[in-house]
This record gives sequence, C-alpha cells and structure tokens, in this order.
Amino acid sequence: GENVEQHPSTLSVQEGDSAVIKCTYSDSASNYFPWYKQELGKGPQLIIDIRSNVGEKKDQRIAVTLNKTAKHFSLHITETQPEDSAVYFCAAPRGNFNKFYFGSGTKLNVKP
Amino acid sequence: DADVTQTPRNRITKTGKRIMLECSQTKGHDRMYWYRQDPGLGLRLIYYSFDVKDINKGEISDGYSVSRQAQAKFSLSLESAIPNQTALYFCATTPGGNYGYTFGSGTRLTVV
Repeated sequence: GENVEQHPSTLSVQEGDSAVIKCTYSDSASNYFPWYKQELGKGPQLIIDIRSNVGEKKDQRIAVTLNKTAKHFSLHITETQPEDSAVYFCAAPRGNFNKFYFGSGTKLNVKP
Repeated sequence: DADVTQTPRNRITKTGKRIMLECSQTKGHDRMYWYRQDPGLGLRLIYYSFDVKDINKGEISDGYSVSRQAQAKFSLSLESAIPNQTALYFCATTPGGNYGYTFGSGTRLTVV
C-alpha cells in the first residue's frame, strides 16, 4: 500500500504568500526525509531534507518540520515567488539501501 | 557537464522493440537507481545497484533489465516495449547514508 501520502495535489498562491505541503508516512523507523523540486522538463532536485533527530530545519525561505509522533512532515515556503512554481515531492525511506517511497507530488502555482 | 546524464532525452519506439536508456554520473558514488514517473503516481523504483556486481530489483522490475557497466554507468533496457511502459524515466545516484538523490534530467519514452 501507499507508504507516503502527500497533500494537496495542487496549490495556487499569490506571490508573497506562504505555501505548505504536507506528507504522512507509515514506518516509524524512518529517519530521513528529503524534499525535491521538479521544474518542467527537468529531473527532481533536492531542496531540503530533515533527519529524525531534529524537529525543524530552515534554509532561507524554505523550512521543513517533522512530527515523529504523528508521522507527519511538512514543507513550508514563505514569501513565495513565481520561480517557486514547480512540482514538489516528499520522500521517506523504504527499508534499507537508500530506497525511498515518494509522494504523488504537489503542483505549486505562484501567481504574480 | 551535468552530474547525472541521461540519454536519450526523448524517444518514441514501437511496441515489441528493444530499447536501452543510458545513464552516467560524475559524482563518484557507488549507488545508482532507476525510477519511473507517471502522472499522479510519484516515482517508483525499477532497479538499483551498489556496484558492478550488485543488481537488485525494485517494486516494478517486470519487463525491464539493467546493466552496470562501470561505477559511473547504469543502463536500463526494455526487452520488448509495450504501451504501458510509456513514462518518464529517471536515473539517480547517492553517496549512501542519510543523503538524498542527485537525479538526471530524465528520458521521456513513448511506446506506440
């Protein structure tokens, strides 16, 4: 069954607003959660990740939060810009060997 | 040059034909992966390899085979292409541990 659920599937925000994308996972042993941004015609690019020993990580306008008890992790983008428009994927470990389950993706549209 | 290079970028082939998708990386990592991306389904793992003597099936390996010619090269073959193999294919590499992937730009394959 689905190991990572991602919501929403589409998100439209006005430039300057914040965007939040949420994922849930099922394996309580998971300890590393990357987020990827995929622009049109390109491969996914790692933009931020979080390890299970911290609850939040920030990098300029993006942040990721992790709630291990609830098995939730979220991507937060503040002061959105048109160039943030893309599809975003969350991922969680699938057993060993750096295999991952990926969420189904969120298409973010930032309107100028 | 890109860290992970995939060729071809686009390919249209006929049902029943054999086709090979190629991937090379300059990151110096041992671990390489092939994923398939379909709309609304995220990325699904086809095969992965940790060195030239190590090949492992992913969740959707039926109808596919791979070859690890060198540390830097990992090819995906469709022995007899069928229309439901129409998808976007990505190669990825990682150093292992709690680190994410570096993806290639993808190969868009259409089977008619």
